[in-house]
Amino acid sequence: DAGVIQSPRHEVTEMGQEVTLRCKPISGHNSLFWYRQTMMRGLELLIYFNNNVPIDDSGMPEDRFSAKMPNASFSTLKIQPSEPRDSAVYFCASSLEQGGRAGFGPGTRLTVL
Amino acid sequence: KNEVEQSPQNLTAQEGEFITINCSYSVGISALHWLQQHPGGGIVSLFMLSSGKKKHGRLIATINIQEKHSSLHITASHPRDSAVYICAAGGGGADGLTFGKGTHLIIQP
Repeated sequence: DAGVIQSPRHEVTEMGQEVTLRCKPISGHNSLFWYRQTMMRGLELLIYFNNNVPIDDSGMPEDRFSAKMPNASFSTLKIQPSEPRDSAVYFCASSLEQGGRAGFGPGTRLTVL
Repeated sequence: KNEVEQSPQNLTAQEGEFITINCSYSVGISALHWLQQHPGGGIVSLFMLSSGKKKHGRLIATINIQEKHSSLHITASHPRDSAVYICAAGGGGADGLTFGKGTHLIIQP
């Protein structure tokens, strides 16, 4: 079975540019999570969806961040405009149920110059 | 908001030793997760617990709901167990997960 797929794996961009991160959850999973990991703050939950509906986006740092899940097999996390402090590894995870054991993607390492 | 504390922050042990990593949380939860992050950065979900004890190979996770405490044990530790172990507490419903800062484990041969 394919695990969670994320793209790109690495992204380097300049401040002010729009960045779009993509995630394909494990087939059949109905909960999807976006996390951010930095050295300073560790892992943080940004937003999660249940059955394609955003349930809790209180972790989204500011209006520059937005996430969508147009269908059960695809989600995006967009940052516009990007800033150097957004540099981090962004993980996507999915689970069969909201509190269930999750499968994690390999992460997207974002560097904003 | 839940506060999740892990101890120790860093642990170095010799191969074969029994390892215990602790996690405490401040608010009642519906589930507690243990994650393993390898030196390359990949994250693996080890356990999801809501009560009692779970075992997978040499790994054992326990949770005490009344004391708001969970432990992760590794028996017969091996250098390949070297990783960062992270616990995350979930309130269920509209609450997402709150993460501990992780325990950096090094098992020396």
